[in-house]
Order: sequence, then C-alpha cells, then structure tokens
Amino acid sequence: DAGVIQSPRHEVTEMGQEVTLRCKPISGHDYLFWYRQTMMRGLELLIYFNNNVPIDDSGMPEDRFSAKMPNASFSTLKIQPSEPRDSAVYFCASAGWVGNEQFFGPGTRLTVL
Amino acid sequence: SQELEQSPQSLIVQEGKNLTINCTSSKTLYGLYWYKQKYGEGLIFLMMLQKGGEEKSHEKITAKLDEKKQQSSLHITASQPSHAGIYLCGADMGSNDYKLSFGAGTTVTVRA
Repeated sequence: DAGVIQSPRHEVTEMGQEVTLRCKPISGHDYLFWYRQTMMRGLELLIYFNNNVPIDDSGMPEDRFSAKMPNASFSTLKIQPSEPRDSAVYFCASAGWVGNEQFFGPGTRLTVL
Repeated sequence: SQELEQSPQSLIVQEGKNLTINCTSSKTLYGLYWYKQKYGEGLIFLMMLQKGGEEKSHEKITAKLDEKKQQSSLHITASQPSHAGIYLCGADMGSNDYKLSFGAGTTVTVRA
C-alpha cells in the first residue's frame, strides 16, 4: 500500500481565499483523522471519522473549517475564508481499528498570506 | 497538549551515547504511542504500550510504561545520526473514543 496520501504538499494562498486539502487513507482503514501542527500549539486533532461518519469535530477551530468524507477512500478539509493564523501543517492519518496505531500522511504545509 | 508533558524539550547527544525522553500525564494513559517526525515530514509510528509495566524494544529503541500508567520513557542506546528528529508521545486519555492527545515533542540532535 502507498500509505496515506495527501495533496497538495504545499499550498500558498491569500487571505480570504478558499483552501481545500485532500486525503486518501490506507485502504481498509475505518478511521480517518485530521490534525493541525503549529509551533505554538503542537499537534492538535481537528476531527475524526469512523466509517465515513464524523465522530468528533470538537477540535475544529471555527465555522470556517469543514471536513467531509464522501466515501471510504477520500476526505477533504476545507477552510473558507482562510486567514493568516490558519498557516500550519495539516496532517491526515488513518487507522484500522480502535487502539491500533495511526498512520500519518506526509502533511500539507499551508501558508496564508 | 498540556495533558501530556514531554521532557526534555530538546537534547543534543554525542553519537554513540544513550538518551532518554519522558512523557508524563496526571491522568491514566489507556494507550501510549511513540512517534518520530523529521522536519517537513509526517509522523512515523515507533511503538505502542497499553499495559502497566509494559516494555517494548525495537532495534536500539526501548519504550516503557510505568505501573501506574501515567509515565512513559523512550530510551535510545548508542545513538546514531539516523536517530535525529522530533519524538512525540501520543496518548488515549480514556475518553471512550479514539482521540489521541500529543505532547509537544522532543527534538533530538545527534552530533558525530
């Protein structure tokens, strides 16, 4: 398996623009997680899905953030409108079952100017 | 995450020397995960501990979870340049879901 795939790897955008980050989990994994990593706050869980259903989105910072998982092999994290404070590395991870280790993608480095 | 305290924040070690990183919580840890991250890359899973007193080893890396399940240590024996990176501990804090809280990370530099 190719592992968790994220795109794009780097994104530079201007404040106010819409940003969409994409993730393809490992085939057969039932859990998908979106994290954000910054120097100030470290690695934070934003939202996670089980069998394509959002289970906990309490980490989503504000209504500008939304995440979807239309099928078992694809998820998106959207920021609209983007702000400079959204600049961070966004990771997607997947796991096979509860308690199993999470496999992380390479991340998307987002810069909002 | 303030729920998990990692120490030290960073360390520099001479190649061939040993090093230890600690991860501490005031709450019981129901699953403790160690990851390694290189700058600009994703997290690589190292080991998972679940039982009090559990110890696991892989190559030159050993991780332990104390009996009370509130502290874990990661020990690297005879460090090599390949061990350089950021080590993060993540834990299931027992909230009846699958959320992991992560420590701030420990940056390891290995000097030749």
